[in-house]
Amino acid sequence: DTAVSQTPKYLVTQMGNDKSIKCEQNLGHDTMYWYKQDSKKFLKIMFSYNNKELIINETVPNRFSPKSPDKAHLNLHINSLELGDSAVYFCASSQDPQYYGYTFGSGTRLTVV
Amino acid sequence: GQNIDQPTEMTATEGAIVQINCTYQTSGFNGLFWYQQHAGEAPTFLSYNVLDGLEEKGRFSSFLSRSKGYSYLLLKELQMKDSASYLCAPSEAGSYQLTFGKGTKLSVIP
Repeated sequence: DTAVSQTPKYLVTQMGNDKSIKCEQNLGHDTMYWYKQDSKKFLKIMFSYNNKELIINETVPNRFSPKSPDKAHLNLHINSLELGDSAVYFCASSQDPQYYGYTFGSGTRLTVV
Repeated sequence: GQNIDQPTEMTATEGAIVQINCTYQTSGFNGLFWYQQHAGEAPTFLSYNVLDGLEEKGRFSSFLSRSKGYSYLLLKELQMKDSASYLCAPSEAGSYQLTFGKGTKLSVIP
């Protein structure tokens, strides 16, 4: 009965490859997010979708492209992976973050070698 | 934009009490969240304060002063399993996102 599930949990890949991370939530939330947590443990927002519409698009390289086929799914595709992309990527969902905060997925640890 | 400040690291002894402070500057402040994140895991919700004062939930309590832009998380009867990072996140009215502080890494020692 996982509320927010991400796959894969671990991803090791070579520089230059293209990879995708998938996220699904069964909470009925309208809004989903991608956050990046770097080696210093700082959680930084990347993207957010509300009901399939992109509402937050922070300054990230355009090699990163989110896609939301429906409000329960938010995927992240990364082209031409670089060493600096190594991090933990968290998906999250919320009904109304100002009052309810987020429910996070378990994270995807991406290592680029 | 937001400015969020919390100590980077703290160490406390098992059984003791520890207070983790957070100061913030944010426009349109609505309320403040605290999250706990164990190493290698996702952040999980601990508390949400919207009114001034102390809210107690078992061994954990959270305090908010809206006028001072200040919050703290109080952990009592510390246990080894409380070793984790604690993230402060003020919310803005009408905003779709939470901005997190850099987190306070708490180490509980025997």
